[in-house]
Amino acid sequence: AQSVTQPDIHITVSEGASLELRCNYSYGATPYLFWYVQSPGQGLQLLLKYFSGDTLVQGIKGFEAEFKRSQSSFNLRKPSVHWSDAAEYFCAVGLNSGQNFVFGPGTRLSVLP
Amino acid sequence: DGGITQSPKYLFRKEGQNVTLSCEQNLNHDAMYWYRQDPGQGLRLIYYSQIVNDFQKGDIAEGYSVSREKKESFPLTVTSAQKNPTAFYLCASTRQAGSPLHFGNGTRLTVT
Repeated sequence: AQSVTQPDIHITVSEGASLELRCNYSYGATPYLFWYVQSPGQGLQLLLKYFSGDTLVQGIKGFEAEFKRSQSSFNLRKPSVHWSDAAEYFCAVGLNSGQNFVFGPGTRLSVLP
Repeated sequence: DGGITQSPKYLFRKEGQNVTLSCEQNLNHDAMYWYRQDPGQGLRLIYYSQIVNDFQKGDIAEGYSVSREKKESFPLTVTSAQKNPTAFYLCASTRQAGSPLHFGNGTRLTVT
């Protein structure tokens, strides 16, 4: 069965530090990959997506992610974190059929001033 | 601007009552979804619909019902059979398989 893992439940970084959030997936074919961000009490906002082509994708708010087929990973990165980046981050796999999406459990990011 | 509207944002009900959560989209998307989110947990799929007048159970459909009479609307009813209905409910839609999901801002349901 398809699955998405995010090994880190909670990460704390200092403002201005770099960030990497990990995501691994299990899926037979090359999937569509997404990162979403959720602020408390809000819906999820799409940060970036990977469908094909260049394995390094740029998103909104200065985020980027790299698809590594050999590692079944799609890690999210940001070179310098801002206090407003504190939120919950979800990695998701898009499928071609059925329920269409599988979400990871999420990583909560805290930012220290 | 196009988007997904969920209403109300907060909903309070007494145990034993059915309650319906509204979800409307003007994105002209075919597929719509309902997810449940509990503290510290990810998103769990309740129901989804890929076309009008058709819908499928997700992973946690027991105690919930839906309808899809119009492309724009996908209301969710939380019935009295749902044992732990207090949660944050998210509605989403997408144009086609593989396209990103667009989310509403959620409805927080509290049942006492």
